[in-house]
Amino acid sequence: NAGVTQTPKFRVLKTGQSMTLLCAQDMNHEYMYWYRQDPGMGLRLIHYSVGEGTTAKGEVPDGYNVSRLKKQNFLLGLESAAPSQTSVYFCAIRGGNEQFFGPGTRLTVL
Amino acid sequence: GQNIDQPTEMTATEGAIVQINCTYQTSGFNGLFWYQQHAGEAPTFLSYNVLDGLEEKGRFSSFLSRSKGYSYLLLKELQMKDSASYLCAAYNSNYQLIWGAGTKLIIKP
Repeated sequence: NAGVTQTPKFRVLKTGQSMTLLCAQDMNHEYMYWYRQDPGMGLRLIHYSVGEGTTAKGEVPDGYNVSRLKKQNFLLGLESAAPSQTSVYFCAIRGGNEQFFGPGTRLTVL
Repeated sequence: GQNIDQPTEMTATEGAIVQINCTYQTSGFNGLFWYQQHAGEAPTFLSYNVLDGLEEKGRFSSFLSRSKGYSYLLLKELQMKDSASYLCAAYNSNYQLIWGAGTKLIIKP
């Protein structure tokens, strides 16, 4: 996980609250991804970015927004949190063909 | 549709060999990955296959058959620290990774 950090590590929100998850990399890679991981399911892609200033929707984008204003940072926003967004969120970067993951953010929405 | 299938859970004995199978269906194919994930941690890269055949890396080997849409991960000389979930994932034509739900491997002494 070296080179990819996520902030915060844990968070508890009430329904309707908003928050931003930060992913930062020091490896100068173009591609960055946000996934969510839920029990019994594979990682699901929320949004991704192929470079500074670009973002694209993944498999499950509803309820989330993203921004990539700086190459090093990829932000994931929840405007109005819902209990269905309780999950573990992973940021990843792509170096060559491999994807390297950050340590994850465990989010609970009550 | 696109999907990855792998067994939910497997049990093996310390020192033994275990094979974890994965079948995939993706729109286009640009390689298959295996990742290891310990409980409460992030996935970490184990192997990448894009051509048919066996890739060996220490105690771990990965096999790919593109014509069959099939891969397996072979773990030899199992150690207790190998207890983890093993995730199979395939790149589709857009280089998006499609993930399986993971196989939880339990190692018994």
